[in-house]
Amino acid sequence: EVQLVESGGGLVQPGGSLRLSCAASGFTFSSYSMNWVRQAPGKGLEWVSYISSSSNTIYYADSVEGRFTISRDNAENSLYLQMNSLRAEDTAVYYCARGIAGSTGFWGQGTLVTVSS
Amino acid sequence: EILMTQSPATLSVSPGERATLSCRASQSVSSNLAWYQQKPGQAPRLLIYGASTRATGIPARFSGSGSGTEFTLTISSLQSEDFAVYYCQQYNNWPPFTFGPGTKVDIK
Repeated sequence: EVQLVESGGGLVQPGGSLRLSCAASGFTFSSYSMNWVRQAPGKGLEWVSYISSSSNTIYYADSVEGRFTISRDNAENSLYLQMNSLRAEDTAVYYCARGIAGSTGFWGQGTLVTVSS
Repeated sequence: EILMTQSPATLSVSPGERATLSCRASQSVSSNLAWYQQKPGQAPRLLIYGASTRATGIPARFSGSGSGTEFTLTISSLQSEDFAVYYCQQYNNWPPFTFGPGTKVDIK
């Protein structure tokens, strides 16, 4: 069974940092590109970042460029999102998502990040 | 960046009735379009990819059509478990991947 389990969310002050993790199982993690997608409370979906299967290609949304860093460890079947200089507008549920460009799309249950003083 | 719009914002439908949801792209995305279903407190679930191909395990009452800039998701006979928010997403020109604002299907 395919599973993606996010962790690392929580309450952080503006300007602070947080590192999200996503543990993958039930599929060959190293064969798939991965993404982070977020959803602010009561709002729609916003793509945040993409990483290719071998980490050779990385993209970010303009809203997080220079503040967030995506990475992965294929030996550990894990995806990460390092979030620095957090703002109130970064408050959202963050989803780890496999391959959102076609037939392989699968999402974890998400982890809530709240940026507030 | 390709902008995605969806209509209507809310669709009120009785169980057993047909629901038709629309999605429009600001420029052609060919057939590189997906539909997702999201229920409260849950992650989005892939329903349709390639504009018209059902994902694994998705019931046949869900169908997608369209290409270019105009797309439709049809639920032929709404079941109680189908009341949810539906999002379209393009993956033709990326980054960024872009989503529509969603259509909420609720009980009439």
